[in-house]
Amino acid sequence: SQTIHQWPATLVQPVGSPLSLECTVEGTSNPNLYWYRQAAGRGLQLLFYSVGIGQISSEVPQNLSASRPQDRQFILSSKKLLLSDSGFYLCAWSLMGPETQYFGPGTRLLVL
Amino acid sequence: TQLLEQSPQFLSIQEGENLTVYCNSSSVFSSLQWYRQEPGEGPVLLVTVVTGGEVKKLKRLTFQFGDARKDSSLHITAAQPGDTGLYLCANKLSFGAGTTVTVRA
Repeated sequence: SQTIHQWPATLVQPVGSPLSLECTVEGTSNPNLYWYRQAAGRGLQLLFYSVGIGQISSEVPQNLSASRPQDRQFILSSKKLLLSDSGFYLCAWSLMGPETQYFGPGTRLLVL
Repeated sequence: TQLLEQSPQFLSIQEGENLTVYCNSSSVFSSLQWYRQEPGEGPVLLVTVVTGGEVKKLKRLTFQFGDARKDSSLHITAAQPGDTGLYLCANKLSFGAGTTVTVRA
């Protein structure tokens, strides 16, 4: 069966520090991968998606970047965090298209 | 990108009552997904509707897609505390802001 992992689960970082969040998928090959950010109790904002290794599409211009170094690994990064980067970051995967997405447990990021 | 509007924003009911939440757009949906998200977890897909007028049932949950494919509703019969969560509608990569449902025991 397929599983999706995210780590860390919780992160507290100072403003201006770098960020690296990791997402890995097991039990499937060549998935589409997605990064979303969610404000408290609200909807999801798509940040990046990837249809293959090294292929990244950015939906929202900001100080975040994403990389896909391996088929089932998706990384969200920042060189210098802003207060506004705080939120709940969710990774998801799908096979045929975005109509059926499977989400990871999320990473809660607090920038102070 | 289609704007998905969900209402109400918050809903609190007693166990055993029924509830309905709505998802609307000014555009026509190609398909629509409903997810439920519990606090501190990722959303879980409940259903996808694709045909105008379609009705899908998942135990006590009934999902309806409008004839014009611009709106959808989720009805829960005899709500239970386990139904508590954030209900999100989505059109592929676009998500609504969600309805927070609280079912009191």
